[in-house]
This record gives sequence, C-alpha cells and structure tokens, in this order.
Amino acid sequence: AQSVTQPDIHITVSEGASLELRCNYSYGATPYLFWYVQSPGQGLQLLLKYFSGDTLVQGIKGFEAEFKRSQSSFNLRKPSVHWSDAAEYFCAVGYTLNNFGNEKLTFGTGTRLTIIP
Amino acid sequence: NAGVTQTPKFQVLKTGQSMTLQCAQDMNHEYMSWYRQDPGMGLRLIHYSVGAGITDQGEVPNGYNVSRSTTEDFPLRLLSAAPSQTSVYFCASSYNRGSQPQHFGDGTRLSIL
Repeated sequence: AQSVTQPDIHITVSEGASLELRCNYSYGATPYLFWYVQSPGQGLQLLLKYFSGDTLVQGIKGFEAEFKRSQSSFNLRKPSVHWSDAAEYFCAVGYTLNNFGNEKLTFGTGTRLTIIP
Repeated sequence: NAGVTQTPKFQVLKTGQSMTLQCAQDMNHEYMSWYRQDPGMGLRLIHYSVGAGITDQGEVPNGYNVSRSTTEDFPLRLLSAAPSQTSVYFCASSYNRGSQPQHFGDGTRLSIL
C-alpha cells in the first residue's frame, strides 16, 4: 500500500538558518509528489509539486525540494527561514486508485516548524 | 473567484445528531474530495468525486455520506454523529484528477459531545 512518512514531528530552527524537512514515500511507480503548508486555522496551500523531469523543483516562498528515486525521498529545503515560515508542513503522494483511473492523495502526518529569533 | 468555500466554520453537535457540511467551488473543477484532519494522523480521505453523479469511498468512509448533484457542490453528511468524528474537515478540489494540486477550503471544526 502507498504510504508517506515524515519522520520529524516537530522541528525548531533559528530565523535565518537553513531548513530541511524529510519525506519518504512508498509507491511502486513514479509518484506525483507534493509539499503543502498549513498555517494555524487555515487550509492547506501548495508549496511545490513534482510530476516528472528535473528532480529539483522550485516552489513558492523560496522553498525547493529534491526527488531522489533511489532513496524514495522528496525532502523540502529552504536556505534561510523567516519567522513567517512557522507552520505545519505536509508531504503528499498522488497515485492511481483503481482500474477506472481514479486517483487520490496520501498525506504524511506532518512536521510542525517553529522558528526562534 | 472565491475558490473552495466551506460552511460552517465551527459546529458543536450532540451524539446521534445529523448534519451536513457544505462545500462549494467556483473553479469548474471536476474532482472534489473530503478529508478529516486529526492530530498526529495527517489528512485522511473520506470520500471523493470525479464528477457530477460519481462518488467513491476513500480511506475512512464509515459514518459519512456524500452526493454530487452539481459540479460546484459536494456536501458531506454525518448520519448519526459520534464522538470519534470530532475532527477538522477539509474539502478540496482539482481540475479533473486526484493527483493534481488540490485547492483546499479553510476547514470546518466539528466537535461531537
């Protein structure tokens, strides 16, 4: 069965420091991969996506992620975090659900990011 | 465009009551879905729809019903609320496929007493 693992429940980073959030997936074929961000009391907003091609993808707000097939990983990175980056981050994999071509997303359990001055 | 609109934003129910969570999108998206978000469990798919008149179950469908009579609306019905259904519910839509980027509503926070 398809699954997404975000091993870090909570990460604390100093403002201006670099950030890497980990994501590993389990899926037989090449998946569609996403990172979403959720601010408190809000819905999820798409940061970036990988469908195919270049394995390093750029997203909004200065985030990037690298798809590594050999490691089944899709880690999210940012060179220098800002206090406004404090939020919860979700990795997700999209895949075909059944023979009718229906598709769904499976989400990881999320990583909460705290920024300290 | 309003995007994905969910109502109500908050609701408290008693065990056994029924209610409908509303979801509407104005982007002419074919694919719509409902998720519940619980602490430490991420988002889990309840039901989804690939177009008007077509719905299917997700990971956690028990206790919930859906229908899709129009492209715009995808209501979620709780038939007999249980405390285990206390959660935050999100509706999402995408153009025509579940693996496409999803547009999320702001959520409905539901408490069952």
